Amino acid sequence: AQSVSQHNHHVILSEAASLELGCNYSYGGTVNLFWYVQYPGQHLQLLLKYFSGDPLVKGIKGFEAEFIKSKFSFNLRKPSVQWSDTAEYFCAVTGLSGGYQKVTFGTGTKLQVIP
Amino acid sequence: KAGVTQTPRYLIKTRGQQVTLSCSPISGHRSVSWYQQTPGQGLQFLFEYFSETQRNKGNFPGRFSGRQFSNSRSEMNVSTLELGDSALYLCASSLVPGANTGELFFGEGSRLTVL
Repeated sequence: AQSVSQHNHHVILSEAASLELGCNYSYGGTVNLFWYVQYPGQHLQLLLKYFSGDPLVKGIKGFEAEFIKSKFSFNLRKPSVQWSDTAEYFCAVTGLSGGYQKVTFGTGTKLQVIP
Repeated sequence: KAGVTQTPRYLIKTRGQQVTLSCSPISGHRSVSWYQQTPGQGLQFLFEYFSETQRNKGNFPGRFSGRQFSNSRSEMNVSTLELGDSALYLCASSLVPGANTGELFFGEGSRLTVL
């Protein structure tokens, strides 16, 4: 069975600090990887995704993530966070389950950016 | 175009009652997935429907059920409610089963409180 681990449950940063949120997955086959974001009071939305090719993917609002296959990791990064980045971030992975692709989410990381 | 619509947004029930939640996907989207979101547990997959057929099911008891109609609208039902069922229930739609395209479009959720 596939699983996703997000080890940082709550991160507090000052504006302009750099961000890296960890995501590790467990699955033996080919995976697609995603980061979703949930801003306060809003619905979940896609931040970025990786299917194949360049392991460094860029998303919206200056976010990027790097797929490191040997480490089963897909960490999210941003060089300089803003107060508006305060949100909860979810890593997700898809893989075959019961003959169909299944999306599995991590438990989420709450990011609080202090002005 | 209109996003994913979930009704009701908030509801309070007592133990032993049942509840039905509704989800209208984005126009043209044929796949609907349901997730349970609780603090510390992240998003737990409930089930996924495509063309009125349940394609995948998570590890939830039989009290949780769902269905999809010919117009792609979906409902989920929870019978014999327990206190632990209190959560935010999220619906996500996609053109085809979400994992294959990479992006799920989420509604704002139905927040269920069981007293």
